[in-house]
Amino acid sequence: GESVGLHLPTLSVQEGDNSIINCAYSNSASDYFIWYKQESGKGPQFIIDIRSNMDKRQGQRVTVLLNKTVKHLSLQIAATQPGDSAVYFCAEILSGSARQLTFGSGTQLTVLP
Amino acid sequence: SAVISQKPSRDICQRGTSLTIQCQVDSQVTMMFWYRQQPGQSLTLIATANQGSEATYESGFVIDKFPISRPNLTFSTLTVSNMSPEDSSIYLCSAQQGTGELFFGEGSRLTVL
Repeated sequence: GESVGLHLPTLSVQEGDNSIINCAYSNSASDYFIWYKQESGKGPQFIIDIRSNMDKRQGQRVTVLLNKTVKHLSLQIAATQPGDSAVYFCAEILSGSARQLTFGSGTQLTVLP
Repeated sequence: SAVISQKPSRDICQRGTSLTIQCQVDSQVTMMFWYRQQPGQSLTLIATANQGSEATYESGFVIDKFPISRPNLTFSTLTVSNMSPEDSSIYLCSAQQGTGELFFGEGSRLTVL
């Protein structure tokens, strides 16, 4: 069936560097995408979202890029900090669906001192 | 934003017993969902909790195993019935206001012996 997948299961970056986490999705009917951060022992925390009529959205230290042509989503974290260490999930919502999220498999980001 | 409280936050249960997890949202929400997250895995949607009617279950999940209630716009319960060790997981409640972002509770970590 349709699914959302991630390119890399783990990512290690030096503190202060920029991080890029990638996500591929397969359903062209998806119209809304969200990035979540999940720290150990906690529930997913909303980071940033983007609708399919946009190709870029910026937040505080984070930027999400959407390339609908190749069905690719990325999360960029600027000046990565130790507190950014977590698992990051991308999720999609299908247009016209009951707004359930389909989650990707997750990327473990580790920030090295 | 909505604040979601789940209880219990964790529990250890015996095989064959049942456990009910409660989810309380601090404001009225349109949609409520239940997800399962097995150790080291992504989130899988169990069902959509519908107010005043039977929940809508995803493939692989059935009402007899995971009965769900949603008596009003701010509260829902998920019961894990006749538990086995394979049911050991984190169960997460989520809620959505309108067509906005989806919020998650901290999860209920269940261990079945």
